[in-house]
Amino acid sequence: SAVISQKPSRDICQRGTSLTIQCQVDSQVTMMFWYRQQPGQSLTLIATANQGSEATYESGFVIDKFPISRPNLTFSTLTVSNMSPEDSSIYLCSVATGGGYEQYFGPGTRLTVT
Amino acid sequence: QKEVEQNSGPLSVPEGAIASLNCTYSDRGSQSFFWYRQYSGKSPELIMFIYSNGDKEDGRFTAQLNKASQYVSLLIRDSQPSDSATYLCAVNIGGAGNMLTFGGGTRLMVKP
Repeated sequence: SAVISQKPSRDICQRGTSLTIQCQVDSQVTMMFWYRQQPGQSLTLIATANQGSEATYESGFVIDKFPISRPNLTFSTLTVSNMSPEDSSIYLCSVATGGGYEQYFGPGTRLTVT
Repeated sequence: QKEVEQNSGPLSVPEGAIASLNCTYSDRGSQSFFWYRQYSGKSPELIMFIYSNGDKEDGRFTAQLNKASQYVSLLIRDSQPSDSATYLCAVNIGGAGNMLTFGGGTRLMVKP
């Protein structure tokens, strides 16, 4: 499995501001994913980020709110824009490796919006 | 109906017992099935995956898949207090590319 890091690990932000979360992988991967995990809930996929193409967003998530960049095969960013307290959550990136559908997760970013 | 369903628990078992975690899914075209363990405050960790009907064993863990009945289970033998965590079932829904759909998770408590 790949080694995945995320920055920042946690942050407290004011409403109306934006935060960019970075995800770095120690090997080249084609597919990266961004998830949200709200308190006490399971994981919800925000978008799939493939290098060289626009991210694909799931129902309920839009590019204006969650812009994603994927400049190369080892790095991606997710921005949470114009934040409100409802955006308080853990944001996780994952990668698919090994040729199958297995996904491995980064350590997550815990975001609190006040 | 949710696409992937799990009993939220908590499931409480004594140390040394077998813990049995179940997951049902709605899409018959699903191909791949995964179990993740998530400790409180940590990210999910992949512990098992299974693609074919039957059993797959890895140490104390056994994944069981029954596509006809649309369920997948995880057995943990000789349960330890360190196994106490939330276990997430994830399914690659047919036609969804590499996307995974997660169940709500089952909280397991192993009591010494």
